[in-house]
Amino acid sequence: DGGITQSPKYLFRKEGQNVTLSCEQNLNHDAMYWYRQDPGQGLRLIYYSQIVNDFQKGDIAEGYSVSREKKESFPLTVTSAQKNPTAFYLCASKRQGGADTQYFGPGTRLTVL
Amino acid sequence: KNEVEQSPQNLTAQEGEFITINCSYSVGISALHWLQQHPGGGIVSLFMLSSGKKKHGRLIATINIQEKHSSLHITASHPRDSAVYICAVRLNTGNQFYFGTGTSLTVIP
Repeated sequence: DGGITQSPKYLFRKEGQNVTLSCEQNLNHDAMYWYRQDPGQGLRLIYYSQIVNDFQKGDIAEGYSVSREKKESFPLTVTSAQKNPTAFYLCASKRQGGADTQYFGPGTRLTVL
Repeated sequence: KNEVEQSPQNLTAQEGEFITINCSYSVGISALHWLQQHPGGGIVSLFMLSSGKKKHGRLIATINIQEKHSSLHITASHPRDSAVYICAVRLNTGNQFYFGTGTSLTVIP
């Protein structure tokens, strides 16, 4: 089955710790995205990558870092510099170019205690 | 300022009712997407529109490019339609998307 997987579904961390969220896709998509979803707000773009070894900051990149060493994988690290990390994080991918839809992973709910 | 505005924010309907959710946007777009998010959090794409109208089962989506407005209609609503419906626009300048805050729909049996 083709799709996007995110792990874990729920994640708890102590304040001040870095944490890495996993996102893997087997759709052969070039573009991958990380979004953050908070209650009452639309999805906000953290980082996106259009090709391996390249990525761009989104609207709320501060306190986050990413890597794109493989086409299939786009992990997101939430660092201790992120002031309010508790949120629902969604990964998505799409074919590069063209008028195509995004495919979303199931999400990871991060709670920082 | 939100580039994408949705209305209503919350909607409760009786089973069988016709439902309309609206989306207005203020930026130049190459496409508009309607997404459905279930209580577990997963998001699926319902429609992608760049003009006109699309229909899939009981769902109909329309877009008016000149007025920068789109609507999602659900005919003969059913409790399983209960979800959050999200409007998203793809900018015509690149691969980025902007999202509305969503419309939470509850269909009561």
